[in-house]
Amino acid sequence: NAGVMQNPRHLVRRRGQEARLRCSPMKGHSHVYWYRQLPEEGLKFMVYLQKENIIDESGMPKERFSAEFPKEGPSILRIQQVVRGDSAAYFCASSPTDRGNQPQHFGDGTRLSIL
Amino acid sequence: GESVGLHLPTLSVQEGDNSIINCAYSNSASDYFIWYKQESGKGPQFIIDIRSNMDKRQGQRVTVLLNKTVKHLSLQIAATQPGDSAVYFCAEVPDNFNKFYFGSGTKLNVKP
Repeated sequence: NAGVMQNPRHLVRRRGQEARLRCSPMKGHSHVYWYRQLPEEGLKFMVYLQKENIIDESGMPKERFSAEFPKEGPSILRIQQVVRGDSAAYFCASSPTDRGNQPQHFGDGTRLSIL
Repeated sequence: GESVGLHLPTLSVQEGDNSIINCAYSNSASDYFIWYKQESGKGPQFIIDIRSNMDKRQGQRVTVLLNKTVKHLSLQIAATQPGDSAVYFCAEVPDNFNKFYFGSGTKLNVKP
């Protein structure tokens, strides 16, 4: 499968725990984007990363949320001390270049549920 | 920030009919537009895109129309099939930016 791979598909956490969401971009893609989707809503941009660099994190909450895309391995979206309001589907997308006139390719998301 | 919205939140059509899904965008400087299809439990799937220097683009059974004068985008699906049932999102991309702005989506129900 050469598509964007996200894991886990479903993640359950209790309030106060940490959530780690992983994303492996499509082969040959070095640009990764994270989006959040609430039920019956569109996707909201969170962060754009290239290898070892955060390019745009204007959609990330200022506290508890962080993202990285290391030189080796998947991109990680980390949510510390989760709260009920963090429950959502989190989607990762990738693209081969930073040109803004090409589609982003999405994974099937991680559904995060906070108990 | 940019705002992308849809006129019809839910659209029901008969199998075999044509479907038209509309989208309004707010940023006249946006350079690139995309339609995605999202099935339940899955990620958005690319359908078709269009640059701002075009007003029409056709794919297999789908056509996207762009009216920059009124900042309106539409997706036409010919001979709609049950497999077309999904939520459809338009996305707007300002020039030289990688940040996609998504509308709230239209749910397409195809009745057999």
